[in-house]
Amino acid sequence: DAEITQSPRHKITETGRQVTLACHQTWNHNNMFWYRQDLGHGLRLIHYSYGVHDTNKGEVSDGYSVSRSNTEDLPLTLESAASSQTSVYFCASSESTGRRNTEAFFGQGTRLTVV
Amino acid sequence: KQEVTQIPAALSVPEGENLVLNCSFTDSAIYNLQWFRQDPGKGLTSLLLIQSSQREQTSGRLNASLDKSSGRSTLYIAASQPGDSATYLCAVPANQAGTALIFGKGTTLSVSS
Repeated sequence: DAEITQSPRHKITETGRQVTLACHQTWNHNNMFWYRQDLGHGLRLIHYSYGVHDTNKGEVSDGYSVSRSNTEDLPLTLESAASSQTSVYFCASSESTGRRNTEAFFGQGTRLTVV
Repeated sequence: KQEVTQIPAALSVPEGENLVLNCSFTDSAIYNLQWFRQDPGKGLTSLLLIQSSQREQTSGRLNASLDKSSGRSTLYIAASQPGDSATYLCAVPANQAGTALIFGKGTTLSVSS
């Protein structure tokens, strides 16, 4: 079965370190997204991609970057981790056909703690 | 800027009740709306996707309706069960140009046996 997987599931890192969260999907979807989820804020969009070599900033992109070198993967990098980036991170993917979009499917999340 | 609101934030009901969760959005020019379920510590599971040309979608005991003109959607859960306890989220595309989703903050449902 097709799926979307995130790794690691849990990560503790120190302030100032560079961290990369992995996201891999086998749906062959062209759209991929990164969200963070925090109490009181809900899910907020960090970065997204509509295809290989395409990346776009979301609502809360400062301090994060992504690159899309193939269809399956969209790694999220925290350039210099800050305590404010302690959160649960979700990756998602979907497909577009004209103006009709398929369901978005989510990974199980990565819980990141910055100490 | 699209904004999504879900009311109520929390809901507690006894098993067997029929219930309605509400979702409203500010920009009615949406292509679709999606309802998700999230269990504690887990990812999001897609429940229903309604395209803009549809008014309703049904899956088992779940029925979602969409009224674009009024900027509203409802998720109806029939004969609720303790296993329905979770947070329910609705989401719409951020704008007409793309598919990135904007989420409401969710309704946390607790069904007691």
